[in-house]
Amino acid sequence: DTGVSQDPRHKITKRGQNVTFRCDPISEHNRLYWYRQTLGQGPEFLTYFQNEAQLEKSRLLSDRFSAERPKGSFSTLEIQRTEQGDSAMYLCASSLGRGENEQFFGPGTRLTVL
Amino acid sequence: EDKVVQSPLSLVVHEGDTVTLNCSYEVTNFRSLLWYKQEKKAPTFLFMLTSSGIEKKSGRLSSILDKKELFSILNITATQTGDSAIYLCAVEESRGGPGTYKYIFGTGTRLKVLA
Repeated sequence: DTGVSQDPRHKITKRGQNVTFRCDPISEHNRLYWYRQTLGQGPEFLTYFQNEAQLEKSRLLSDRFSAERPKGSFSTLEIQRTEQGDSAMYLCASSLGRGENEQFFGPGTRLTVL
Repeated sequence: EDKVVQSPLSLVVHEGDTVTLNCSYEVTNFRSLLWYKQEKKAPTFLFMLTSSGIEKKSGRLSSILDKKELFSILNITATQTGDSAIYLCAVEESRGGPGTYKYIFGTGTRLKVLA
């Protein structure tokens, strides 16, 4: 399968723990996006990479959130000291970065913070 | 503040009906508008629109953009139960710097098609 993949698909953690999610974009895509989606809402933009450079970061992203894309391929999103309000679906998407810039989404990581 | 507003929020129709979903937007530096279908998992891409008045069509689905009035519609004809999903509209906004773009999503329209 050459689509966007995310790991893990589900994560249950206790409040205060740190969690890390991974996203592998489509191989030739140089843009990678992270979103958060809660029930009844559309995806909320969190951050965006062009290759390894993090170009945009939403003000929704508190200091507890950090994302990296060290070699311009896969990306990780870490949440430190999780809170119950962090419970959501975390979606990753990638796009080619030229021409028609369609985003292709991964299956998401569903985080539940107890 | 930039925003994307979809209407209606939810819609229930019978198989065979035609539906029109609306998306209006207010963004500073519009670049494109995208429609997605979301069932139980991640959104799947339907259309990308960049030019006014040019209809994009895929089977029973079609979409058009009006950049003067700042809205788009998504039409589904002869609906089927498999069309039941949340339909999301997103606007791609240029952030000014080289290669800097951001997508703003609406809350979606939840469509249910009854047999």
